[in-house]
Amino acid sequence: EAGVVQSPRYKIIEKKQPVAFWCNPISGHNTLYWYLQNLGQGPELLIRYENEEAVDDSQLPKDRFSAERLKGVDSTLKIQPAELGDSAVYLCASSFKLNEQFFGPGTRLTVL
Amino acid sequence: ILNVEQSPQSLHVQEGDSTNFTCSFPSSNFYALHWYRWETAKSPEALFVMTLNGDEKKKGRISATLNTKEGYSYLYIKGSQPEDSATYLCARTKTGNQFYFGTGTSLTVIP
Repeated sequence: EAGVVQSPRYKIIEKKQPVAFWCNPISGHNTLYWYLQNLGQGPELLIRYENEEAVDDSQLPKDRFSAERLKGVDSTLKIQPAELGDSAVYLCASSFKLNEQFFGPGTRLTVL
Repeated sequence: ILNVEQSPQSLHVQEGDSTNFTCSFPSSNFYALHWYRWETAKSPEALFVMTLNGDEKKKGRISATLNTKEGYSYLYIKGSQPEDSATYLCARTKTGNQFYFGTGTSLTVIP
C-alpha cells in the first residue's frame, strides 16, 4: 500500500512569492490533516478535512494561507505571499479511522 | 490548547545503552496517547497508541507505559542502536481525530 505522498519535498522561495504544496493521501482515507512544524517545535494543526469539508481550520492564518481538497482526495495548501516566518516543515497526514494518522515525509520550505 | 511536554529535548547515548523519555500531558478529558518516531528525511512513523491507564506496549526493544491519572507516559529503548537515532514525538488526543503534539525528544545514538 502506498503511503501519503507529498510534493515538493523541498522548496526555496523569496519572501512575498506564492508557494503551493500538494498531498495525496492513502487511498480510502477520508480524513486529511495539514500540520506546520517549526524548528524545535511539535507539529501544529493547520486544517483538518473530512472528505472535502474543512471541519477544523481554526489555526489556519487565512490572510495568507488557503487550502482545498477537491473531490475529497488530493489536497493543496497555498501560501500567498510567503513571509520569512513561514519557513518550516509542512506535514500532511491521512486516516481512515479514529486514533490513527499516517504521515507523509513533509515539505521543507525555506523563505529567503 | 492542550499542552503536551516532552523531556529531555535532546540526548546523546552510546550504542548499547538503554534510555527513556517522558511525555507529560493534562490528565483531564484523556482519550489516547500516541508515540511516533521521526527519522530525518522520512515520514513520522506510529509506534504506539495507548488508551488505558496502566497500558504497556512493546515493539522489539522499544516499550512504553501510560499513567493517565497523573498525566505521563514513558518511552523506553533497551540497548540503543544507531538506527534508533530519530526524533520521538508524543501526541495526546482529546477526541480521536484531534492530535496535540509535544516538541519531541531528539535521540542520537553514538556508535
